[in-house]
Amino acid sequence: DQQVKQNSPSLSVQEGRISILNCDYTNSMFDYFLWYKKYPAEGPTFLISISSIKDKNEDGRFTVFLNKSAKHLSLHIVPSQPGDSAVYFCAASAVWGGTSYGKLTFGQGTILTVHP
Amino acid sequence: EAQVTQNPRYLITVTGKKLTVTCSQNMNHEYMSWYRQDPGLGLRQIYYSMNVEVTDKGDVPEGYKVSRKEKRNFPLILESPSPNQTSLYFCASSIQGGSYNEQFFGPGTRLTVL
Repeated sequence: DQQVKQNSPSLSVQEGRISILNCDYTNSMFDYFLWYKKYPAEGPTFLISISSIKDKNEDGRFTVFLNKSAKHLSLHIVPSQPGDSAVYFCAASAVWGGTSYGKLTFGQGTILTVHP
Repeated sequence: EAQVTQNPRYLITVTGKKLTVTCSQNMNHEYMSWYRQDPGLGLRQIYYSMNVEVTDKGDVPEGYKVSRKEKRNFPLILESPSPNQTSLYFCASSIQGGSYNEQFFGPGTRLTVL
């Protein structure tokens, strides 16, 4: 049962244009969402996050949008750069009974390729 | 440099031969976790530890063991590896186990079980 889904395995974008990566979730208990970026032969690195009490969070070229009613979040990268080419994972975290176990539930990942 | 280290980075072994993948962090983090990454499935949590001597199962714990005797180390033990444990493994740590704490990942260990 995939509780976090990234339905696009890959995305190709021209340098300077916007990249939009999408993520859907099914568990309404998720209250914190994160995006991780992964280069080959490296571990995932944290990119940006958003709490369920917000609908938007911005950090430089990266913006994450959260639509709780649709259980959908997206990552916008503007402008896209060739160095952004990587695998992007969406992840979600939930609080059970007031205590968070810190578990991250990941999506399958989307391979982003930014062409010069 | 603050980091999570894993050893070995690559390992090829045979079915049934016990192995240990080590994980160490130098950030004095309380929370540590192991994930495996498989094509089409993303990363799935194997085990986690909220603090020393406190460990619990994640989503896919079968065939794995862990221990947390020291705060900095969280080894992953495969007592009798099988081919379905061929995967890319990541160790991660965070300050605490709360929702809002960023997890830092190690570089990964690629395991092949023949």
